[in-house]
Amino acid sequence: EAQVTQNPRYLITVTGKKLTVTCSQNMNHEYMSWYRQDPGLGLRQIYYSMNVEVTDKGDVPEGYKVSRKEKRNFPLILESPSPNQTSLYFCASSFRGRAYEQYFGPGTRLTVT
Amino acid sequence: SQQGEEDPQALSIQEGENATMNCSYKTSINNLQWYRQNSGRGLVHLILIRSNEREKHSGRLRVTLDTSKKSSSLLITASRAADTASYFCATDGGYQKVTFGTGTKLQVIP
Repeated sequence: EAQVTQNPRYLITVTGKKLTVTCSQNMNHEYMSWYRQDPGLGLRQIYYSMNVEVTDKGDVPEGYKVSRKEKRNFPLILESPSPNQTSLYFCASSFRGRAYEQYFGPGTRLTVT
Repeated sequence: SQQGEEDPQALSIQEGENATMNCSYKTSINNLQWYRQNSGRGLVHLILIRSNEREKHSGRLRVTLDTSKKSSSLLITASRAADTASYFCATDGGYQKVTFGTGTKLQVIP
């Protein structure tokens, strides 16, 4: 089954404790992206990747890191999480970029206390 | 500010009625997409319309695009309770960035 998976689905952590949210897709998509969703603000793009070893900032990259060492995986790293990073995070992938439909993961609800 | 802004923010209709939601954007685009999100879940792609297209249909969905007014509308005909969800427009913001609007929350009452 074609899908995007994210782990963990729920996470409660404390300020400053490094964490990684994994994202994996099995559709051989070139393009992958991370978004955060906050009430009243919609989805905002954090980082995206056009292919292996190619990543770029979205609209809200501060406080986040990503890497794309393999085509299927695109982890999101919060090196020193802060309460303002409490949010619902989505990973998405598409065949070749913004001109194509994106497939979204189920989301990761992160709470930073 | 968001590239795409949906209107209305919330919409409540009876089952069987048509639902129309609008999206306005600020800069020129190559394409515009509509997505659906059931409460707290991942978004699901509904339809993509390119900048050189004016109208597109997919099942009970009809999307229009007016690039001169920088606006798009999504019409869901003969709505069902299962259509209850939030609907987002998404525009390509250049350099592979994608910008989503804040969404329209649709409630279809059985």
